[in-house]
Amino acid sequence: NAGVTQTPKFQVLKTGQSMTLQCAQDMNHEYMSWYRQDPGMGLRLIHYSVGAGITDQGEVPNGYNVSRSTTEDFPLRLLSAAPSQTSVYFCASSRRTGKADTQYFGPGTRLTVL
Amino acid sequence: GQNIDQPTEMTATEGAIVQINCTYQTSGFNGLFWYQQHAGEAPTFLSYNVLDGLEEKGRFSSFLSRSKGYSYLLLKELQMKDSASYLCAAVTTDSWGKFQFGAGTQVVVTP
Repeated sequence: NAGVTQTPKFQVLKTGQSMTLQCAQDMNHEYMSWYRQDPGMGLRLIHYSVGAGITDQGEVPNGYNVSRSTTEDFPLRLLSAAPSQTSVYFCASSRRTGKADTQYFGPGTRLTVL
Repeated sequence: GQNIDQPTEMTATEGAIVQINCTYQTSGFNGLFWYQQHAGEAPTFLSYNVLDGLEEKGRFSSFLSRSKGYSYLLLKELQMKDSASYLCAAVTTDSWGKFQFGAGTQVVVTP
């Protein structure tokens, strides 16, 4: 199993550009989440999904869109990039077992917005 | 809402013991996770507590007191490779997949 994969690993954007961060998992996990990590602020939840076709907002959703058309994929779209979105983005997935299960994280995407 | 607090940084000597505290205030609390994150890498799972008490896994142990909203991660026999950030995260009963993370504690192990 590849686990959770993310592409690209690094990206530089200009203000106003749009792009999609890709996330895929091959563990048949129901739950998937997107986080951003900034120095001194830990991981903040952007959007999450409890299954295909179901998404919800997290703590910092503004400026980002998600969709979940399949169990495996959970792309994150930046609509119009801003310097405040410079961050490291992690995708994570976990099982739905009736009790909490650990999240498995992808390697991250390091995004710089100029 | 949820609020999770942990110290920003701790320094300890190789071979020593360090205890990282985590306090939380959350409605519908149903479990606390600890993750380790080395610089430039993704977080990796260390432990999970849902009931009061101590869970031991080799050199690492984690404790939970639900009544006090308190957890700690104990790292014994510190090694240089334990230098990393340690994140605590709470999960609630309304959504098992939705985690709330603390800001992380940077542990520096010195020779």
